[in-house]
Amino acid sequence: AQSVTQPDIHITVSEGASLELRCNYSYGATPYLFWYVQSPGQGLQLLLKYFSGDTLVQGIKGFEAEFKRSQSSFNLRKPSVHWSDAAEYFCAVAPAGNQGGKLIFGQGTELSVKP
Amino acid sequence: KAGVTQTPRYLIKTRGQQVTLSCSPISGHRSVSWYQQTPGQGLQFLFEYFSETQRNKGNFPGRFSGRQFSNSRSEMNVSTLELGDSALYLCASSSGTGGYGYTFGSGTRLTVV
Repeated sequence: AQSVTQPDIHITVSEGASLELRCNYSYGATPYLFWYVQSPGQGLQLLLKYFSGDTLVQGIKGFEAEFKRSQSSFNLRKPSVHWSDAAEYFCAVAPAGNQGGKLIFGQGTELSVKP
Repeated sequence: KAGVTQTPRYLIKTRGQQVTLSCSPISGHRSVSWYQQTPGQGLQFLFEYFSETQRNKGNFPGRFSGRQFSNSRSEMNVSTLELGDSALYLCASSSGTGGYGYTFGSGTRLTVV
């Protein structure tokens, strides 16, 4: 079955420190991959997406993610975290050429930032 | 350009009632998807509409239904509400012709009492 795993439910980092959020997926073929961020009580904001090509993807707010086919992973990184990055982060997949609008989400990783 | 608009933002209903939620997609987008978000189950796909046709459906009971109008606006209906239907309901809009990303609305917070 198709699934997305975010192994870390909660992560705390110090402001200015680097960040890596992990995401592994189980899928028959290389899917489309996404990272979204959600602030409390809000909708989801797209940080970045991977469809094909360069496996290192740049997104908004200084985030990047690297697709590793051999590890079925799509980890999110940021070199220096800001207090405003505290939020919940979701990794999601969709079948390549997705015509059915269905995203499969991981359970999310809540990020706390220490001053 | 305007984002995805969901109305209402908050709703309180009594068990057994029905509710209708609305989603207006980004102008030009023809696909609208609906998701339920709860602390226990996370984000779960309900269904997707493209050009007024349901193209995909998740594993939810028939009490959950939807429709899409010719202007791409979509409504989601839940009949015979149960306490477990309390959730944040999110809709997402996309062009629908490929995985170019999905833009989400701010959601409707439904509380069933």
